[in-house]
Parts: sequence; C-alpha cells; structure tokens
Amino acid sequence: AQKVTQAQTEISVVEKEDVTLDCVYETRDTTYYLFWYKQPPSGELVFLIRRNSFDEQNEISGRYSWNFQKSTSSFNFTITASQVVDSAVYFCALSEATGSQGNLIFGKGTKLSVKP
Amino acid sequence: DTEVTQTPKHLVMGMTNKKSLKCEQHMGHRAMYWYKQKAKKPPELMFVYSYEKLSINESVPSRFSPECPNSSLLNLHLHALQPEDSALYLCASSQDPGLSETQYFGPGTRLLVL
Repeated sequence: AQKVTQAQTEISVVEKEDVTLDCVYETRDTTYYLFWYKQPPSGELVFLIRRNSFDEQNEISGRYSWNFQKSTSSFNFTITASQVVDSAVYFCALSEATGSQGNLIFGKGTKLSVKP
Repeated sequence: DTEVTQTPKHLVMGMTNKKSLKCEQHMGHRAMYWYKQKAKKPPELMFVYSYEKLSINESVPSRFSPECPNSSLLNLHLHALQPEDSALYLCASSQDPGLSETQYFGPGTRLLVL
C-alpha cells in the first residue's frame, strides 16, 4: 500500500484560480514529519514546508497555505490566486521514526499547470 | 543560504565510459544524499552519507560508486552504465541525518546513457 498518496495526477487551472493539492499519508508511528516540495521544469526540488506530527496548526505563507488534519491523515496544500510561475510538479513526502535514516517517502506527485 | 550545487547539468555517456557527478554544499550540513529520478516518477533514494561515512546504500548496483571526500563534497562515480540508468540524479543535504531534518536539493544532473 502506498504510504503517501497524491490522488491528483494532473491539475490544470486558469491564472488567479485557487487550487488545492491533496496528500494522504499512512503511518503507524506517532512521531513523523510531512513535507511539501515543488519541482519546476528545471528539475530542482524546492522545499516548501515541514510539519511535525504534534503540530496540527495550519500554516499560511503568502499565497500558500497548508491544512494538516491527523484525523484524516491528510496534509493538503492550497495555492490562492494561482500564477503561471506556480506551474510545477508538487510532491508530498513523509519521514517516519521507524523508517531508515534520511528516507523520505514521496508521493507520486501532482503536476499543476496554471494557464494565463 | 540553502544552496546545493551539482555539476555537470547534463551528461551524455556511452555504456563503456567512466564519468563522475559532483555535488557541493557550504551550509555545514553533515548528511548528504543521492537520489535517482526517472521521468514522471518521484525521486528514489540511492545513498546516504552521514558525517562523511556511507550509512545507507539502497541496494544500488555497483556500477554506481559514491564517494565523500570531505564534509562539503559528494561524488557519484559512474561506470559501465546501462541505458535504463538514464535519469535525473539529484543530490541533497541536511543539517543532520534523521527524520526531522529538511533535505535541500540541488538542481540535478540529467544523465543520458547511450
């Protein structure tokens, strides 16, 4: 079974629309960390956010916001007023206490296309 | 400064060639990683170096040989690769090894094996 599920393979929106990228994870650990990374066509994975399992506060950073809900094992990412520069593949990732050191478990990614 | 640099950006090699990929970070990070990413797939962990020692080898074929000459540098030596090894090779680093650490990635090397 997948440990990190990003059910949306591709999403296409028009500029200025809001868009939410879903991430559902599975772990038996009580201590774990969740991450979001952005990968533009250039290839570099850009770190966006890290959240630990004990901090369920939602976070907002400019146009980006994250909704962490342990009850549904979800860590969703919303982009408000999307822009063309937001076009990229977005990966959600999990780091578990029982996992091997440094092993980030990535979801399959969601490709976001923002059209002008 | 969260910069990880990688050279070269692109590499084309034949199956009999020997080449090396280079990764550098000057953030004082003590853990460094190599990932392989095929098109339309997530990155897959290959190796982890912790305090300049190889700590994880995810069953990677011996035609890939990592090396950590010092705490800032990480190399990946390539020899007798196969066409299926063509991929984006990403290097990352983190302050320390461990589940809570954020990994910062370089821009990657796009490798084509002919």
